[in-house]
Amino acid sequence: AQSVSQHNHHVILSEAASLELGCNYSYGGTVNLFWYVQYPGQHLQLLLKYFSGDPLVKGIKGFEAEFIKSKFSFNLRKPSVQWSDTAEYFCAVKSAGGYNKLIFGAGTRLAVHP
Amino acid sequence: DTAVSQTPKYLVTQMGNDKSIKCEQNLGHDTMYWYKQDSKKFLKIMFSYNNKELIINETVPNRFSPKSPDKAHLNLHINSLELGDSAVYFCASSQAGVKETQYFGPGTRLLVL
Repeated sequence: AQSVSQHNHHVILSEAASLELGCNYSYGGTVNLFWYVQYPGQHLQLLLKYFSGDPLVKGIKGFEAEFIKSKFSFNLRKPSVQWSDTAEYFCAVKSAGGYNKLIFGAGTRLAVHP
Repeated sequence: DTAVSQTPKYLVTQMGNDKSIKCEQNLGHDTMYWYKQDSKKFLKIMFSYNNKELIINETVPNRFSPKSPDKAHLNLHINSLELGDSAVYFCASSQAGVKETQYFGPGTRLLVL
């Protein structure tokens, strides 16, 4: 069965620090990969997604993620975080051949201090 | 111009009651979903409908019954509510096709006392 693992459950950073959130998945076939963000009290919003092509994908708000197939990873990065990036970040995977079922990781709570 | 909307936003009820949550999308999507987010923020799919047909039914107690009167609506009815049903329930929608992005609603926070 597919699963998604996010290594960091809680990350605390100061503004302007660089961010990298880890995401690994277990699935042997072709996958589509997503990062969603959930700001406090709000719904999930798509940050970025990877389907095929360039493994380095750029999303909204200065976020990017790199798909490394050999490592089954899709880590999220941002060179300089802001206080407004404080949120919960979810990595999700969907198998390319199956139903439209998103499998989510447990989430990483990011707190950015001014 | 809300894309995916849910009502109610908050729902507090007693154990044993029956309640419904409604979801509507105005994106013209073919597929709608229900997800449950537990107290640890873990998100798990419950159901998915495509063109009013049930296509995903994860291991969910049969007290939960989704209903899709048309493509734009997917409601969730819960019978005999239990304490463990307390969670945030998110509706989502997308076009059919595995490359399509799912758009989420604002969530319904259900508290069972």
